[in-house]
Amino acid sequence: AQSVTQPDIHITVSEGASLELRCNYSYGATPYLFWYVQSPGQGLQLLLKYFSGDTLVQGIKGFEAEFKRSQSSFNLRKPSVHWSDAAEYFCAVGRRPGNQFYFGTGTSLTVIP
Amino acid sequence: DTAVSQTPKYLVTQMGNDKSIKCEQNLGHDTMYWYKQDSKKFLKIMFSYNNKELIINETVPNRFSPKSPDKAHLNLHINSLELGDSAVYFCASSPGGTPYEQYFGPGTRLTVT
Repeated sequence: AQSVTQPDIHITVSEGASLELRCNYSYGATPYLFWYVQSPGQGLQLLLKYFSGDTLVQGIKGFEAEFKRSQSSFNLRKPSVHWSDAAEYFCAVGRRPGNQFYFGTGTSLTVIP
Repeated sequence: DTAVSQTPKYLVTQMGNDKSIKCEQNLGHDTMYWYKQDSKKFLKIMFSYNNKELIINETVPNRFSPKSPDKAHLNLHINSLELGDSAVYFCASSPGGTPYEQYFGPGTRLTVT
């Protein structure tokens, strides 16, 4: 069965510090992986995606993620966090057919000045 | 232009009532989805339609009935509302086929009293 695990429920970082959010997936075939961000009271916005090719993918807002097949991981990183990055972050794996998404439970990010 | 829109944004109603949430996308996508986000932020897919045809129907009470009058609209009707139906409901859309990212609406916060 497909599943997505985000081990960190809540992370607090200082503004300007680096960030890494962890995501592990369980999927029998080639995964289609996504990171979404949800600001308070808002819908989900796509940060980046991985389908194939280069395992380091760049996204919006200065985020990047690295796909590691051997570790079944797709961790999200940002070198310098801004206060506006405080939000909920969701990792997701997409499955054929039907493009069904399985979401992780989310990681809540707090940024302190 | 709003890509995926939902109405209403907030819905407060009493147990036993019937209510509908509407979703429209102007992206020309073939596939639309309904998700439920519970109080712990967990996102779970409920339904998916492709070109007005139901393709994903997760285990949800049959009080929930999706209706897709055309490719651009997917409405969610809920009969006999229960307290446990209180949640945020998100509509999403994606181009046909897989894999593709999904574009989310702003959500409808349903509160059942």
